Amino acid sequence: NAGVTQTPKFQVLKTGQSMTLQCAQDMNHEYMSWYRQDPGMGLRLIHYSVGAGITDQGEVPNGYNVSRSTTEDFPLRLLSAAPSQTSVYFCASSYLAGRDEQFFGPGTRLTVL
Amino acid sequence: AQSVTQLGSHVSVSEGALVLLRCNYSSSVPPYLFWYVQYPNQGLQLLLKYTSAATLVKGINGFEAEFKKSETSFHLTKPSAHMRDAAEYFCAVSTTGTASKLTFGTGTRLQVTL
Repeated sequence: NAGVTQTPKFQVLKTGQSMTLQCAQDMNHEYMSWYRQDPGMGLRLIHYSVGAGITDQGEVPNGYNVSRSTTEDFPLRLLSAAPSQTSVYFCASSYLAGRDEQFFGPGTRLTVL
Repeated sequence: AQSVTQLGSHVSVSEGALVLLRCNYSSSVPPYLFWYVQYPNQGLQLLLKYTSAATLVKGINGFEAEFKKSETSFHLTKPSAHMRDAAEYFCAVSTTGTASKLTFGTGTRLQVTL
């Protein structure tokens, strides 16, 4: 099993550009989520999904869009990048929400100039 | 609403000394509690979790944590620190329900010195 994979590992964008961060898991997990990690702020939930076709907002959803067309994939779209979105982004998955361990991808380091 | 407070953003211990990383939580319903570790330039991995079974939870790499409801705490300990324990540690809380969310603390960076 590859676990949770994320691409790209690094990305530099200019303000106003759009892009999609890819996330895939091969563990047949229903629950997937996106977090951003900023110094001194821990991880904050952006969007999450409890299954294919179902998504919902987390703590910091503004400027981001998600969809879940398959169980395996959960891409995160930046609609119009802003310097405030410079961060490290982590995708995670688990069998269910709540008590199950979340498995994290290696992260994408994004810089917006 | 749920939240986590980690006291001390940086903790430094000598190799062989006790490690104590503090975590207090707030939750209106019985919580699930987790400790995750992040090594440099990596994702997070689970150290241990509390899911309403035994209050003393043992995890990987010799770490353990005790759930104390009266103190709303879930402190992480290890009797003897090793250089390889240097990392950032995150406490997190979630609750039951299909739409349950995992809420993280701000993290504690553990430094281990010779």
